[in-house]
Amino acid sequence: GNSVTQMEGPVTLSEEAFLTINCTYTATGYPSLFWYVQYPGEGLQLLLKATKADDKGSNKGFEATYRKETTSFHLEKGSVQVSDSAVYFCALTFFGNEKLTFGTGTRLTIIP
Amino acid sequence: KAGVTQTPRYLIKTRGQQVTLSCSPISGHRSVSWYQQTPGQGLQFLFEYFSETQRNKGNFPGRFSGRQFSNSRSEMNVSTLELGDSALYLCASSSGRGATYEQYFGPGTRLTVT
Repeated sequence: GNSVTQMEGPVTLSEEAFLTINCTYTATGYPSLFWYVQYPGEGLQLLLKATKADDKGSNKGFEATYRKETTSFHLEKGSVQVSDSAVYFCALTFFGNEKLTFGTGTRLTIIP
Repeated sequence: KAGVTQTPRYLIKTRGQQVTLSCSPISGHRSVSWYQQTPGQGLQFLFEYFSETQRNKGNFPGRFSGRQFSNSRSEMNVSTLELGDSALYLCASSSGRGATYEQYFGPGTRLTVT
C-alpha cells in the first residue's frame, strides 16, 4: 500500500537556522504530494503542494521539490522564525481520490 | 468566508456509549472527509462524502459511520465506544474531488473515552 515516512522529531532549532524535514514515500504510480502544518490547538493547514515530478511547491519561505527518482519531498526553509514552531505533516494522494495518506508528523520548535 | 466548523470541540464519553460529531464545511464545498488523529496511529482517513454519497472509506470497523446532508453538512457516529477511540477527529472540506482541490481542515473534535 501507499505510505509516507518522515524524519523523527522533535526538531529544535535556533531562530534563523536552516530547516530540512525529510519525507519519502512509497506508492504505486505518481501521487500528488503535500506538506501540511498544524499549530497548537488548530486543524491542519495546507502549506504547499506539488502534483508532478520536478514540481517545486513554495509558500511562506518554505519549499519542497517532488523528486521521483528518490521518491522524496523534503521540506526546506532558509531562515526559520519562532512562529514556525508547529507540527509538520507530509502527505500524498492520487488524482480523483480524496484520501490523504499522512506521515507521522515532525514537531518543530524554534527557540529565540 | 467562514472556515470549517466542528461541534462540539471537546467531548467526554464512557465506554459503550455512542457519539455523534458534526462538521459544517465551507460554504459551497460539497466534499467532506473525516480523519482520526491519535499519538500512536497518527492521522488516518475515515471516510469521504460528496453530494450526500460516501465515495471512499478507510480501514475502520463498522462502528464508525457517517452521513452527509443536502446542505453538505456531515456527521460521523461512533457506536459502542472503546477506550481506543479517544482521539482528535478532524473534518476537511473541499470544493471538488481530487488532489487539485485544496482540503480545508476544521479545528477538530477531541473525544475522550473513559
